[in-house]
Amino acid sequence: AQKITQTQPGMFVQEKEAVTLDCTYDTSDQSYGLFWYKQPSSGEMIFLIYQGSYDEQNATEGRYSLNFQKARKSANLVISASQLGDSAMYFCAMSPDYNQGGKLIFGQGTELSVKP
Amino acid sequence: AAGVIQSPRHLIKEKRETATLKCYPIPRHDTVYWYQQGPGQDPQFLISFYEKMQSDKGSIPDRFSAQQFSDYHSELNMSSLELGDSALYFCASSPRPSGGAGNEQFFGPGTRLTVL
Repeated sequence: AQKITQTQPGMFVQEKEAVTLDCTYDTSDQSYGLFWYKQPSSGEMIFLIYQGSYDEQNATEGRYSLNFQKARKSANLVISASQLGDSAMYFCAMSPDYNQGGKLIFGQGTELSVKP
Repeated sequence: AAGVIQSPRHLIKEKRETATLKCYPIPRHDTVYWYQQGPGQDPQFLISFYEKMQSDKGSIPDRFSAQQFSDYHSELNMSSLELGDSALYFCASSPRPSGGAGNEQFFGPGTRLTVL
């Protein structure tokens, strides 16, 4: 069975600094997808970044980058130049198939607080 | 850009009542997923549909049923509501998978169900 683990329940970062949110995953499959979502206090789930298991380069989307270390089964999210609006809950998630997508399995989430 | 639409946004029901949640996916997205997020929890997969057929099933109670219609909108029907059904219910849609790229699931704003 696939599993996502986020070991940081809460994180603090100073505005304009970079922060890394940890995510490890467990799967015996070779084909899978990894996602990060942001959930502000308003409740919506906002897609941030995607990494496929066969993608050799780390994914980047603006200030977000995914540090994908396949051998260590980790998919950490790096947010550069933090902004106050980055304060939110962040979920790491996995889909079971690189080609077909499928249901998302979520980690427990990390609550990020950005300090001015 | 068009987003996933969910209605209603908020719903209050009594125990043992029924509820119907509606989801309108992004145009040309042919896969719909339903998730349940309890207070302080990560989202849990309930059920998914691809091209109007059920494609996968998660921890969905027998009291719940869902379907996808010819216009691709989906409805989640919940009967004999219990206090524990109080949660945020998300619908997400994704386009036809294409070899690993673009397997992102785009979430609607959610329906917050409160059972009294």
